[in-house]
Amino acid sequence: AQSVTQPDIHITVSEGASLELRCNYSYGATPYLFWYVQSPGQGLQLLLKYFSGDTLVQGIKGFEAEFKRSQSSFNLRKPSVHWSDAAEYFCAVGATGGSYIPTFGRGTSLIVHP
Amino acid sequence: DGGITQSPKYLFRKEGQNVTLSCEQNLNHDAMYWYRQDPGQGLRLIYYSQIVNDFQKGDIAEGYSVSREKKESFPLTVTSAQKNPTAFYLCASSGTQPNQPQHFGDGTRLSIL
Repeated sequence: AQSVTQPDIHITVSEGASLELRCNYSYGATPYLFWYVQSPGQGLQLLLKYFSGDTLVQGIKGFEAEFKRSQSSFNLRKPSVHWSDAAEYFCAVGATGGSYIPTFGRGTSLIVHP
Repeated sequence: DGGITQSPKYLFRKEGQNVTLSCEQNLNHDAMYWYRQDPGQGLRLIYYSQIVNDFQKGDIAEGYSVSREKKESFPLTVTSAQKNPTAFYLCASSGTQPNQPQHFGDGTRLSIL
């Protein structure tokens, strides 16, 4: 069975600093990978996705993520964080093998200090 | 614009009462889902449906029921059997291929009176 691990429950950064949120997955073949963002009291919004090809993926709001097969990782990065980036971030793996139900990590809460 | 609409935004339940959360989508997606979200526990799948008049239990279906009479609609009923219903409920939809992301509504927050 596939699984997704987000090792950091909370991350605190200063506004303007760079950001990296970690995501590790367990899956036998090449996975379909997603990052979502959730602002307080709202639903999840897709930031970016990886299916194949270039391992560095650009998303919305200035985010990018890099797929590293050797490390089973799909870390999310942003070079300069804005206060409005404070939110919950979820990594997800798209299912295969007959199921279309994705597996989500437990999320990382980003706190941005002024 | 296409999207998913959940209503109401806030809902209160009395003891012994069933309540129904609405979810409507105009994205022409075949699959729809209900998730429960509690602080620090991520998303937990309650029910999902791939086609009209068919649905499957997720990881925490006890105390909940759903129907899928129309492609656009997937209401969730929280029954009195659900002893701890206070949570944030999210509805989502997607295609049925694993490379298709989910689209989420803005959620319903359910509390006990």
